[in-house]
Amino acid sequence: ETGVTQTPRHLVMGMTNKKSLKCEQHLGHNAMYWYKQSAKKPLELMFVYNFKEQTENNSVPSRFSPECPNSSHLFLHLHTLQPEDSALYLCASSLEGHVNEKLFFGSGTQLSVL
Amino acid sequence: EDKVVQSPLSLVVHEGDTVTLNCSYEVTNFRSLLWYKQEKKAPTFLFMLTSSGIEKKSGRLSSILDKKELFSILNITATQTGDSAIYLCAVEARTYGGSQGNLIFGKGTKLSVKP
Repeated sequence: ETGVTQTPRHLVMGMTNKKSLKCEQHLGHNAMYWYKQSAKKPLELMFVYNFKEQTENNSVPSRFSPECPNSSHLFLHLHTLQPEDSALYLCASSLEGHVNEKLFFGSGTQLSVL
Repeated sequence: EDKVVQSPLSLVVHEGDTVTLNCSYEVTNFRSLLWYKQEKKAPTFLFMLTSSGIEKKSGRLSSILDKKELFSILNITATQTGDSAIYLCAVEARTYGGSQGNLIFGKGTKLSVKP
């Protein structure tokens, strides 16, 4: 158990649906991240939040919308996704978002877009 | 363009074997190199390397970094079936306003240990 919990574990949605992924960390960290892991591709950073402020957006399409209401919770709102968005979405946290900090990952949400 | 290349992409060994996983990188403003183990879904941290030539060790696992030749290796001795996983190498290359997490990951090495 890493201290980072993601729900749901699996999600199947149509291209017109709206859904949200949830991440919660119980580690007292102040930085939270969304990563995307597609088959046969490296993990890709999507968003970074430090102390609830978004500090990184890696050219992610607007159909992905993050929300960080507090340092313990992170959401990824999804709408009008494409089949190529099917992937494992991993949430991570670190202490303060500084350099040389290790990340603690959740178990991910396996997303399938039909 | 920054990149991290891991080799081999997959590897099958038998229990008791010793394996060496490779990670080479080309990045701007190197800060650190990290190894993660991904069993099932959640990657878990193994090592962080920032200095050349200093071996990090944890049980049967060890890792070392060569900043001159731009690579790192992860060694696993006396492998067990529980070592079966994807091993991810990541390099922190630059910061954006002090935020870490912009790690550049390799594709991983999938290790299968047969009984």
